[in-house]
Amino acid sequence: QSVLTQPPSASGTPGQRVTISCSGSSSNIESYYVNWYQQLPGTAPKLLIYRNNQRPSGVPDRFSGSRSGTSASLAIRGLRSEDEADYYCAAWDDSLSGWVFGGGTKLTVL
Amino acid sequence: VQLVQSGAEVKKPGASVKVSCKASGYTFTAYYLHWVRQAPGQGLEWLGWFNPNSGGTKYGQKFQGRVTMTKDTSITTAHMELSRLTSDDTAVYYCARSLAATGHFDYWGQGTLVTVPS
Repeated sequence: QSVLTQPPSASGTPGQRVTISCSGSSSNIESYYVNWYQQLPGTAPKLLIYRNNQRPSGVPDRFSGSRSGTSASLAIRGLRSEDEADYYCAAWDDSLSGWVFGGGTKLTVL
Repeated sequence: VQLVQSGAEVKKPGASVKVSCKASGYTFTAYYLHWVRQAPGQGLEWLGWFNPNSGGTKYGQKFQGRVTMTKDTSITTAHMELSRLTSDDTAVYYCARSLAATGHFDYWGQGTLVTVPS
């Protein structure tokens, strides 16, 4: 049981916009930045969004993040086949005094 | 920036495993190093962080008493040792760096598979 809650799966067709939610609490998402990681099959996670809505260099602007209260979301517009991956949200948790992750969302491009 | 981890390990239940993470391309002491694991088909789980500058550590509650994080500064390498292994510890173990303890993980190692047969 993950501290942050994500839907286990999401899907969309090429060109569509999809969103992935991440629900937490006052001790994590509401108080600390949310980061998102993309994990392509068989590879290490890669930083996708940091500090709620910032993109590292090289990440397309099709990816965007937002946070409101105890929830955050990742949006992908103009979906492409190469976006098929697992996506994880993460935040520091004050109560646990450690990093917590969502359970991950498997994105399928139909 | 590169984080290159040691190779796969197979350990017996009750044994310990030590995984290494060699850092290059940046100032080793300027960034925290975190350890995160992923069991087969499962999500990510944080084990703790190590501060190469101070030698300080912060371990996840679940792993306290069983995990030890250290460094070998002469070769800019961090180590994570997990003891009293069980089959539940079978996972890919990753190292990742962050500028601050509560900062995002901007670079990750390639992962090290640790297998503990039941």
